[in-house]
Parts: sequence; structure tokens; C-alpha cells
Amino acid sequence: EAGVAQSPRYKIIEKRQSVAFWCNPISGHATLYWYQQILGQGPKLLIQFQNNGVVDDSQLPKDRFSAERLKGVDSTLKIQPAKLEDSAVYLCASRPAGGGLGNTIYFGEGSWLTVV
Amino acid sequence: AQSVTQLGSHVSVSEGALVLLRCNYSSSVPPYLFWYVQYPNQGLQLLLKYTTGATLVKGINGFEAEFKKSETSFHLTKPSAHMSDAAEYFCAVISGGYNKLIFGAGTRLAVHP
Repeated sequence: EAGVAQSPRYKIIEKRQSVAFWCNPISGHATLYWYQQILGQGPKLLIQFQNNGVVDDSQLPKDRFSAERLKGVDSTLKIQPAKLEDSAVYLCASRPAGGGLGNTIYFGEGSWLTVV
Repeated sequence: AQSVTQLGSHVSVSEGALVLLRCNYSSSVPPYLFWYVQYPNQGLQLLLKYTTGATLVKGINGFEAEFKKSETSFHLTKPSAHMSDAAEYFCAVISGGYNKLIFGAGTRLAVHP
């Protein structure tokens, strides 16, 4: 079974530029998450989709971050304009539909962003 | 709100020694608890999880964790550390009705010869 795919793996941009990250979840997984992991910290949830609807974006900095999940499959996370403090790893994860709260959430390898 | 506290940002053990990584949670409802491992430049991989039933949970690579409700703890252990266990370990708890996974700050495990 293919895992969660993310691209690009690495990106370096200057502050005030824009960047976009792409995620392809595991086939059939209804729930998709984007997490931000700053060096030395645990991952922080940015946004959660259920199919193509947003169920939690309370920690997404909406003045600069946006995310969409077209047709309930792939997702894109965009940052515009980027700030130095956005330097982090952006992790995409997915979870299958059904099951209980204990269902495993699967993570991609992450997209590493450096803002200079 | 639910939260996770991992005691000790860095733990260092000798190869063959016991590994103990501490995790305490805060939850107003029965929690679902997870341990994930992250190797350098990689994503998160599930080690083990507690949902319901047996409080001692066994995971991959010889790790296990015990859910103790009275202590609100879910500590991760391994009887004998291996060099390949060097990584960052994250404890996490499910929060809310939409399976919001909340992570602790992580513990970096170093294993020396």
C-alpha cells in the first residue's frame, strides 16, 4: 500500500515570497491533516479536512496560510507571504474513514521549508 | 482541552540499557494515546497505541507502554536499547470529536556504545 506522498521535500525561499506544498493521502482515506513542526517542537495541527470539507482550522494563520482539498483527495497548503518564523517541516497525514478514535493516522515524510 | 507533557527533552542511554520515556496527559474523557517515532529527515511512524482494553500495549521494535489512568501516564519502555533506536519520540493524544491528534514536545533519545 502506498503511503502519504508529499512534495517538494525541500524548499528554500526568501521572506515575503510564496510557496505551495502538495499532499496525496493514502487511497480511500477520508480525513487529511496538515501539521507544522518547528525544529525542537512537536507537530502542531494547522488544518483538518473530512473529505473536502474543513473541520478544524483554528490554528491556521489565515492571513498568510491557505489550504484546499479538491474533490476530497489531494491537498495543497500555500503560504503567502512567507515569514522567517514559517521555517518548519510541514507534515501531511491521513486517516481512513470509519473505525473509532483509535484509528491510526499515517504521516508523510514532510516538506522542509527554510525561509531566509 | 487535552494536552500531553513529555518529561525530558533529551534522554541518553547505553546500548543494552533500559529505555524509559515519560509521557503524561490531560484529558476530561477517556483518552486514546499514541507513541510515534521520527528518524532523521523522515516522517512520523506509529510505534504503538492504546485505545481500550489491555493497559499494557506492545508495539514495534520491542517497545511497549502502559496506560495508567490513576497517574494519567503512558510511559514508553524498551528493556534493551539498540543503536538503531536513536530518534525522536512523540507522545500524542486524541482530542475532540474529529480526532484531533495533539502531540507532546518530543524526547530525543541518544544511544551510546
